[in-house]
Amino acid sequence: IAGITQAPTSQILAAGRRMTLRCTQDMRHNAMYWYRQDLGLGLRLIHYSNTAGTTGKGEVPDGYSVSRANTDDFPLTLASAVPSQTSVYFCASSVIAGANEQFFGPGTRLTVL
Amino acid sequence: GQQVMQIPQYQHVQEGEDFTTYCNSSTTLSNIQWYKQRPGGHPVFLIQLVKSGEVKKQKRLTFQFGEAKKNSSLHITATQTTDVGTYFCAGNSGGGADGLTFGKGTHLIIQP
Repeated sequence: IAGITQAPTSQILAAGRRMTLRCTQDMRHNAMYWYRQDLGLGLRLIHYSNTAGTTGKGEVPDGYSVSRANTDDFPLTLASAVPSQTSVYFCASSVIAGANEQFFGPGTRLTVL
Repeated sequence: GQQVMQIPQYQHVQEGEDFTTYCNSSTTLSNIQWYKQRPGGHPVFLIQLVKSGEVKKQKRLTFQFGEAKKNSSLHITATQTTDVGTYFCAGNSGGGADGLTFGKGTHLIIQP
């Protein structure tokens, strides 16, 4: 692994289903983030984690949960998907929160029907 | 909360023309970052500005941070087809804990 990876690349999901988007980084970055990108709305922060074991809510956290059990992994879970969660999801990481450049994964395109 | 506004939303230019995108924050920023996203790709970091009035250049790209640290601009001289994409500014107000607030981006479309 080099950098930050996300899985799956894309997914079509029935409404009401549970889904976990995976994100892994091998750069030993302390901070990790989840964004959703929608046309005309740019990138909006869903949840973040400053360091392993801590998480926080971003701008649009409702319907999503995260965990940070270790430094490398930061999964995003949709407990019961709804069509409004159709979006492109990007995971990102940075050495420390806020002050450093963020490295983005390739994204997951999620469609909820 | 902090808001970051970016204009224009779309910009069409002829290849060889200049391009500028502007970013304004509702609060004073500790730093501002710029990212580029190619069509179908992910955002890629371009630069970070920290000091009041700072100007940085990367080849044909010039980045400025306002004196009040509430606005910034990206100027591209003599655009090329490789410049196509969406340019985002992202501000950090200094708390750091919740990451960056992104502008909605400017989509640069270049006509050959």
